[in-house]
Amino acid sequence: GEDVEQSLFLSVREGDSSVINCTYTDSSSTYLYWYKQEPGAGLQLLTYIFSNMDMKQDQRLTVLLNKKDKHLSLRIADTQTGDSAIYFCAESTMNYGGATNKLIFGTGTLLAVQP
Amino acid sequence: DTAVSQTPKYLVTQMGNDKSIKCEQNLGHDTMYWYKQDSKKFLKIMFSYNNKELIINETVPNRFSPKSPDKAHLNLHINSLELGDSAVYFCASSQGHPTYEQYFGPGTRLTVT
Repeated sequence: GEDVEQSLFLSVREGDSSVINCTYTDSSSTYLYWYKQEPGAGLQLLTYIFSNMDMKQDQRLTVLLNKKDKHLSLRIADTQTGDSAIYFCAESTMNYGGATNKLIFGTGTLLAVQP
Repeated sequence: DTAVSQTPKYLVTQMGNDKSIKCEQNLGHDTMYWYKQDSKKFLKIMFSYNNKELIINETVPNRFSPKSPDKAHLNLHINSLELGDSAVYFCASSQGHPTYEQYFGPGTRLTVT
């Protein structure tokens, strides 16, 4: 199937680290992405990782990829109240002759940061 | 300097009406998309165009018809609106190979009464 699973909700205190997990389905996915959606807004691309990498760090964000278990995680260091949002992982499937790929989005994780 | 823009932001209409949503991107991307996000925040692709050519067409009722007059614009026309069409519709564009990163518009919240 095409289900990309995420836990629904995560609550952390300001200053702590947050870890958002994702389990994807397509072992042939070349890129995996993390998006952030604030209330009433569109999706903002945070970061992505190529499937031959285990880890990618970008300022406060660390992405870990376990390809064997098809598990992806996003760690946010020193979480701030402004990080409160829904976070979506997405896997890429099927490359349409190089023109595009098709993203399958996870169910989304609502991150609530308590002051 | 908006990258991907959509109009209108809100659309309230009655069942049976026909409505359109417009999307424009100024990123110079070749590929554009329409997504539907339901009330549970589940996001699913509907269509994708590359250089004005339809390349992804998911299982969407044929009441939905995308149109791409040029590669910077992708519009979505919906005929005979139904209650179940109520959702947020997002337009996106992509820079293509190799990373295919997609950039999203702010969304259009469609409410059918």
